[in-house]
Amino acid sequence: ETGVTQSPTHLIKTRGQQVTLRCSSQSGHNTVSWYQQALGQGPQFIFQYYREEENGRGNFPPRFSGLQFPNYSSELNVNALELDDSALYLCASSLELPNNEQFFGPGTRLTVL
Amino acid sequence: RKEVEQDPGPFNVPEGATVAFNCTYSNSASQSFFWYRQDCRKEPKLLMSVYSSGNEDGRFTAQLNRASQYISLLIRDSKLSDSATYLCVVNASSSASKIIFGSGTRLSIRP
Repeated sequence: ETGVTQSPTHLIKTRGQQVTLRCSSQSGHNTVSWYQQALGQGPQFIFQYYREEENGRGNFPPRFSGLQFPNYSSELNVNALELDDSALYLCASSLELPNNEQFFGPGTRLTVL
Repeated sequence: RKEVEQDPGPFNVPEGATVAFNCTYSNSASQSFFWYRQDCRKEPKLLMSVYSSGNEDGRFTAQLNRASQYISLLIRDSKLSDSATYLCVVNASSSASKIIFGSGTRLSIRP
């Protein structure tokens, strides 16, 4: 176990709704990254937070937004859900920057109907 | 062209065989490189970082070729438990993070 937890484990939403996914990082880790993984694909980088500031973003539209809290836990918010948003959402925490090992949580499986 | 490319496989090899994967990346400014392993319906886990001088961890050897912009992973004396998807990961930015995963190479070890 990595010590990274995510909630919920599964979620079903309908198109147009909004969703918030949560991640608690491993103790002592101040960096959290979020990924979207479609079936049969590698994880796609959404963004990274370092000490509560966004520190890099992938090719995702603005309706994907995030937040990191003083305790370094994090949220991923997705507005105006689309069918293609159905995927496994992974968060990973790491200690400091820039290029340390990332520890992944088990993921949240989001289904958009 | 994808920023990080891997042969999707599947590679199906007998137990005890040696198998090698390559991964190419397009951004010459890429700073750090990793191999992750992902089991079916599980989260990725770090297998090893890839250093410029190459590095070895037991049966696993990783190498970086900056001139040709690829990294490699060699698995010797493969075990049944090595069956998994192997993901190549590149941090393509020197400032803010831009972490790119390849699509993964599926490896299946047969008895």
